[in-house]
Amino acid sequence: SQKIEQNSEALNIQEGKTATLTCNYTNYSPAYLQWYRQDPGRGPVFLLLIRENEKEKRKERLKVTFDTTLKQSLFHITASQPADSATYLCALDKGANDYKLSFGAGTTVTVRA
Amino acid sequence: SQTIHQWPATLVQPVGSPLSLECTVEGTSNPNLYWYRQAAGRGLQLLFYSVGIGQISSEVPQNLSASRPQDRQFILSSKKLLLSDSGFYLCAWSDGWETQYFGPGTRLLVL
Repeated sequence: SQKIEQNSEALNIQEGKTATLTCNYTNYSPAYLQWYRQDPGRGPVFLLLIRENEKEKRKERLKVTFDTTLKQSLFHITASQPADSATYLCALDKGANDYKLSFGAGTTVTVRA
Repeated sequence: SQTIHQWPATLVQPVGSPLSLECTVEGTSNPNLYWYRQAAGRGLQLLFYSVGIGQISSEVPQNLSASRPQDRQFILSSKKLLLSDSGFYLCAWSDGWETQYFGPGTRLLVL
């Protein structure tokens, strides 16, 4: 069956450190992978999209890698700040030209000042 | 720019009562529209999606239904709510099959 697994439910880090989140998937052949941020009681907000032929993508302090051989994406928040505290979700498309996304359960990041 | 609205923001309903949640999108035309449910501490479960007026696809069999009476309006309904229908309901839109943009959500508590 298809599965998306994100590492440990919660990640606590010190301000200024780098947070690294993992997204592993099985029985998917995604054309792209996305990361979203969700604050408590709010809808997810799109952060980054990386395509299957891209190894790495950056946006400000965020960096995403995508390894289709390992079936894994890593999401890094560098120089973390308390404002980065949120739940981060990874999402995969369900196949070529499919309008649907499958989401992981998310990893909650808490950045301590 | 595009905006997405959902209402109500919160709702407390007794078991067996009907439900109607509304979602509207502004600033785009012919969007793909989605309804998700998120249980506490859980991931997003896709309930319905629509690629056009009157076109609804159901992902999970349940006592919920969806309708798209207008291009930018998406409605989630139930004739009789169950306790298990409690959760956080999210509407989203996309203009293709990549990035989705979510509304603020409706928190539903069925008692």
